[in-house]
Amino acid sequence: KAGVTQTPRYLIKTRGQQVTLSCSPISGHRSVSWYQQTPGQGLQFLFEYFSETQRNKGNFPGRFSGRQFSNSRSEMNVSTLELGDSALYLCASSLVKSSGQETQYFGPGTRLLVL
Amino acid sequence: LAKTTQPISMDSYEGQEVNITCSHNNIATNDYITWYQQFPSQGPRFIIQGYKTKVTNEVASLFIPADRKSSTLSLPRVSLSDTAVYYCLVGASGGSYIPTFGRGTSLIVHP
Repeated sequence: KAGVTQTPRYLIKTRGQQVTLSCSPISGHRSVSWYQQTPGQGLQFLFEYFSETQRNKGNFPGRFSGRQFSNSRSEMNVSTLELGDSALYLCASSLVKSSGQETQYFGPGTRLLVL
Repeated sequence: LAKTTQPISMDSYEGQEVNITCSHNNIATNDYITWYQQFPSQGPRFIIQGYKTKVTNEVASLFIPADRKSSTLSLPRVSLSDTAVYYCLVGASGGSYIPTFGRGTSLIVHP
C-alpha cells in the first residue's frame, strides 16, 4: 500500500499570507490528523478529521483550520501567517478499530518557512 | 489524558541492546501504548504497539508490566542507523482523545 503523501514538501511564504497544505491518507484510512512540529514546542496535535467531521482539536488559534473530503483526503489552512508558524507540518492517517485501538502512520511532512 | 515521561537522551554502541522506558502512571483502561521513531525532518515512523505483556515484531519488542504504568521499548543489536528520537504515545481513539507526544528520547548510537 502507498503511504501517506503530503504536498507540497517545502513552502516559503511571507507574513500575512495564507497557505493550504494537502494530505492523502493510506487507502482505507478514514481518520486524518495534523500536527505541527517545532524545535521549541515539539510535536503538537492540531486536529483530527474522521469521515469528513472534525473530531478533536488541539490548542491552536482559529487561524488554523482544516477539512476532509469524501475520499478522506484532507487539507489544512493557515491564514494570516506569522513568523512563529514556521514549522514542519505532519499529517497522519489511521485505521480506527471499534476497540479504540488506533495506529497513526505519518507522512513525510511539509516544511513551511514564513519570512 | 495520560502524560508520558521518557529519558531525554541515551547513548549506546553498535551491536548493543537498547531499552528505553516510558512512564505513564495515569494510563486509562482503554489506552494502547505506541512507539515511534523519528529522524530529522521526517515524519515519525511506527515501530510497535501493545496493550499488555509483551509484543515483538521484526524490529523491536515492547514490554508492558501488569500495572501498565510503564512500558519498555527494546531494540536488539542497534546500528548507527538507529540514531533517532523515539517517542511513546499513550491513548485510544474516540471521545476527546488528544494525542500528546512528549519530548521523546534522543538515542545516539556510537561506532
